[in-house]
Amino acid sequence: AQKITQTQPGMFVQEKEAVTLDCTYDTSDPSYGLFWYKQPSSGEMIFLIYQGSYDQQNATEGRYSLNFQKARKSANLVISASQLGDSAMYFCAMREPTGNQFYFGTGTSLTVIP
Amino acid sequence: EADIYQTPRYLVIGTGKKITLECSQTMGHDKMYWYQQDPGMELHLIHYSYGVNSTEKGDLSSESTVSRIRTEHFPLTLESARPSHTSQYLCASSERWGGRAFFGQGTRLTVV
Repeated sequence: AQKITQTQPGMFVQEKEAVTLDCTYDTSDPSYGLFWYKQPSSGEMIFLIYQGSYDQQNATEGRYSLNFQKARKSANLVISASQLGDSAMYFCAMREPTGNQFYFGTGTSLTVIP
Repeated sequence: EADIYQTPRYLVIGTGKKITLECSQTMGHDKMYWYQQDPGMELHLIHYSYGVNSTEKGDLSSESTVSRIRTEHFPLTLESARPSHTSQYLCASSERWGGRAFFGQGTRLTVV
């Protein structure tokens, strides 16, 4: 089974609007970390936000927030007030403490329309 | 912000050549990773390391090899490059327990 599932291959959003990128995960470990990365066309992976499984509150970093629903095993990324520079691939990832690797989703391509 | 470096940034090389992609980090991280990624596609783990003298193959079969003689250095070598190796290669590192992955800028390899 896939550890991380991103069901939206491509998304479009109007500039200045908010957008939600979906991510669901699969783990039986009670302790894990969830991450979102942005990858612009230049190719580098830019860390956006982190959520720990025991964190009581949803993580926020500027215009980014993570809608963490533990019972549903979802960790959706919300980008508020979209900007043209937000156009990129977005990857959701998970790390289990017992494992030695990160599990990445297949990514969502976001296009911000002026 | 990132203290992990990859060289070269871009490389065009002929078929059959031996190449080494360099990756170095100054954060003292035990764990390092190599991912292969085609444009706009998912990341595939090809190698990882727990620490010095420890290397493992990842989920995606790869003809490349890696070494970890020093904590900070994790080079990836292709003994004989082929056009099918054309891709982006991303190096990353992380602390032993928890924490995020720090990525280098990537190497875009083209084999002609």
